[in-house]
Amino acid sequence: AQKITQTQPGMFVQEKEAVTLDCTYDTSDPSYGLFWYKQPSSGEMIFLIYQGSYDQQNATEGRYSLNFQKARKSANLVISASQLGDSAMYFCAMRDHNTGNQFYFGTGTSLTVIP
Amino acid sequence: EAQVTQNPRYLITVTGKKLTVTCSQNMNHEYMSWYRQDPGLGLRQIYYSMNVEVTDKGDVPEGYKVSRKEKRNFPLILESPSPNQTSLYFCASSRDREDYGYTFGSGTRLTVV
Repeated sequence: AQKITQTQPGMFVQEKEAVTLDCTYDTSDPSYGLFWYKQPSSGEMIFLIYQGSYDQQNATEGRYSLNFQKARKSANLVISASQLGDSAMYFCAMRDHNTGNQFYFGTGTSLTVIP
Repeated sequence: EAQVTQNPRYLITVTGKKLTVTCSQNMNHEYMSWYRQDPGLGLRQIYYSMNVEVTDKGDVPEGYKVSRKEKRNFPLILESPSPNQTSLYFCASSRDREDYGYTFGSGTRLTVV
């Protein structure tokens, strides 16, 4: 079974608008971490944001926020006020204690910001 | 600066010629891993290591070898590369905790002809 599911292969958003990238996860471990990474066309992987399973509040990092809905096992990335430089591939990932802290990645969402 | 150094960035080689992609981290991380990235397939784990002398297969280990003789280094070895190993490769390291994310290397774009 897929541990991380990203159902949107590609997304478009108008510059300055907000966009939500979906991510659902599957684990029975009460202790886990959720991560989002950005991969621009240059290829490097850039860490964006982290959410712990015990965190009571949604994580935020500048224009990035994570909409964490634990009961639904959902960890959507919200990018506010999109910029052209946000055009990239975005990967959701999870790490859980039960599997020896193994990482699991989704297949990614390609975001294109339209001027 | 805390980083994962991966070399080379680009490599074109011929089928069957053994090659090594080096990976080194300066953060004293226990956990290191190799991934390959192919269009539409996301990141697939090749091998990982929980600590020195401890390595294990990921999802796509065939055709690859690794070693972890020192904590900082985790080289990826292709003994006899084939064209289906043409891919973008990433090395990554982390603490062995579920609340720690990866630090990735810059990637190695490998072409096997």
